[in-house]
Amino acid sequence: DTAVSQTPKYLVTQMGNDKSIKCEQNLGHDTMYWYKQDSKKFLKIMFSYNNKELIINETVPNRFSPKSPDKAHLNLHINSLELGDSAVYFCASSQQGRYEQYFGPGTRLTVT
Amino acid sequence: EDQVTQSPEALRLQEGESSSLNCSYTVSGLRGLFWYRQDPGKGPEFLFTLYSAGEEKEKERLKATLTKKESFLHITAPKPEDSATYLCAVRGGTASKLTFGTGTRLQVTL
Repeated sequence: DTAVSQTPKYLVTQMGNDKSIKCEQNLGHDTMYWYKQDSKKFLKIMFSYNNKELIINETVPNRFSPKSPDKAHLNLHINSLELGDSAVYFCASSQQGRYEQYFGPGTRLTVT
Repeated sequence: EDQVTQSPEALRLQEGESSSLNCSYTVSGLRGLFWYRQDPGKGPEFLFTLYSAGEEKEKERLKATLTKKESFLHITAPKPEDSATYLCAVRGGTASKLTFGTGTRLQVTL
């Protein structure tokens, strides 16, 4: 009965590769988010979707492309991975109009 | 731009030793202040939302309070299982996003 799930939990890849992270929520929420948490534990919003519509697109390289096939899923595709992309990526969701966000377990991405 | 500063960066307490964590914020029109708990290797877990100065919320040994410039997370008689990083976030104005602080890493020892 996991609320927000992400796959994979760990991702180790080489520079230049393309990879995807998947997120699913079963809370019935309308809004989903992607966050990046760096080595200093700073959590920064990257994207937000509401009912499959992009509503937040922070200053993120265009190598990062989110896709929301339906309101329960939000995937993150990263092209041409760089060393600086190494971080933990969290997916989160909330009810529309509310900002209490529920987070997934995270995906630790390591680029070598 | 919204800003959140948390202090101290790290705090070590003995079991039963009460203390407070601070979250100072700068925001144009506070629309909500949020506290989260994050355990190592896990995602942040929602604890509280506060909306206006003077508001208080409690959960077990935790109590969150809010003024016009800061929020405190009071931990009464902590136990080792309260060890975690506590994150504060704000939503201001017409923003559709939360701005997080860097957290306070709390360790409670026997």
